[in-house]
Amino acid sequence: DVKVTQSSRYLVKRTGEKVFLECVQDMDHENMFWYRQDPGLGLRLIYFSYDVKMKEKGDIPEGYSVSREKKERFSLILESASTNQTSMYLCASSSPPRNQPQHFGDGTRLSIL
Amino acid sequence: DAKTTQPPSMDCAEGRAANLPCNHSTISGNEYVYWYRQIHSQGPQYIIHGLKNNETNEMASLIITEDRKSSTLILPHATLRDTAVYYCIVARETSGSRLTFGEGTQLTVNP
Repeated sequence: DVKVTQSSRYLVKRTGEKVFLECVQDMDHENMFWYRQDPGLGLRLIYFSYDVKMKEKGDIPEGYSVSREKKERFSLILESASTNQTSMYLCASSSPPRNQPQHFGDGTRLSIL
Repeated sequence: DAKTTQPPSMDCAEGRAANLPCNHSTISGNEYVYWYRQIHSQGPQYIIHGLKNNETNEMASLIITEDRKSSTLILPHATLRDTAVYYCIVARETSGSRLTFGEGTQLTVNP
């Protein structure tokens, strides 16, 4: 079975802090994604990566950056956390061919105070 | 990607089959039907996908009508742990593209 592991289930940080969310997958998947999920807004793509050291902006990249130094690990960075970044953050991974599904981690519920 | 329509909620008795419908009347020939579910406060879980043939795995069965305009996800023996929001997605590809969930169906399995 595919395993996508996110480093924390719950996290509380303060405004202005630099926050790191880590994601590791064990299936040698090429593609990795970061989403956030908010009530009424559904799933929104922040960043994705097709390969090591590659990154592409999603729909809402502002205030975030990512790092993919190894194939199995994709990190999301909140450069200076703000209260509007309080959300559920979801990491996913997948592999070609195109019709293959994305597999998600359990999510990190991040609260910025 | 084609639009999907699902009932907002359904109930099922524990041990019985849960049949979750999805309408996708504008589906294109090269679009797949995917099902995910999300248990409260957890990440979405992939269940199954198919193009036109019926599919079965250890979790569920997917029945796609011959005209492909609708499909049904079947959980053969629902348990309390199957209580979740179930999302039907129609897409040409999902491996390298953003996923978008609609409202889904809240399935409640009752003891």
